[in-house]
Amino acid sequence: QKEVEQNSGPLSVPEGAIASLNCTYSDRVSQSFFWYRQYSGKSPELIMSIYSNGDKEDGRFTAQLNKASQYVSLLIRDSQPSDSATYLCAVKGPDKLIFGTGTRLQVFP
Amino acid sequence: DGGITQSPKYLFRKEGQNVTLSCEQNLNHDAMYWYRQDPGQGLRLIYYSQIVNDFQKGDIAEGYSVSREKKESFPLTVTSAQKNPTAFYLCASSINPGTLAFYNEQFFGPGTRLTVL
Repeated sequence: QKEVEQNSGPLSVPEGAIASLNCTYSDRVSQSFFWYRQYSGKSPELIMSIYSNGDKEDGRFTAQLNKASQYVSLLIRDSQPSDSATYLCAVKGPDKLIFGTGTRLQVFP
Repeated sequence: DGGITQSPKYLFRKEGQNVTLSCEQNLNHDAMYWYRQDPGQGLRLIYYSQIVNDFQKGDIAEGYSVSREKKESFPLTVTSAQKNPTAFYLCASSINPGTLAFYNEQFFGPGTRLTVL
């Protein structure tokens, strides 16, 4: 089992819809979780971090964490074509971040 | 302007040649990291350093070497022993996770794309 798992996609949503991106992790003691956005040919950009169970909102983005289920998700409301990118989930291990392989999101007009 | 810079943006290497990728940060971060990304794959950790003059191997260190003589700089050398070096190389930095164990927000530089001719 991979340490951090994401569906590779692509996830296709129409403009204005809610995009839901999911991530599961295997290490029960993990306490810090991050979402990065990576446009094609560019480096990852940190968009959300979450440390406690529940929801954390920042503009159109909401991160959700459920440590009991070892599940973290990212919701993007009012999706725009400019949101089309690969979204990487990362989980903090003892001394490094462990990244998933990413979910490719396509938002079509 | 605070941030992480990497140079060059594109690099071409001949067979049997060593090349060095530059990474500099002015964020006053203690920890620095090197990752490799191949098409359709996630980020794989090559080396990391939590403090000056100290560094540790990541998951795929073979064929690579690093140094950390200054807090701001963490250059990566891709040696001729690395048989398949063509990839996108990313440098990142963060507040030392050893002192703030709960938080480890890593910020990335723009990357260097290495191609073997």
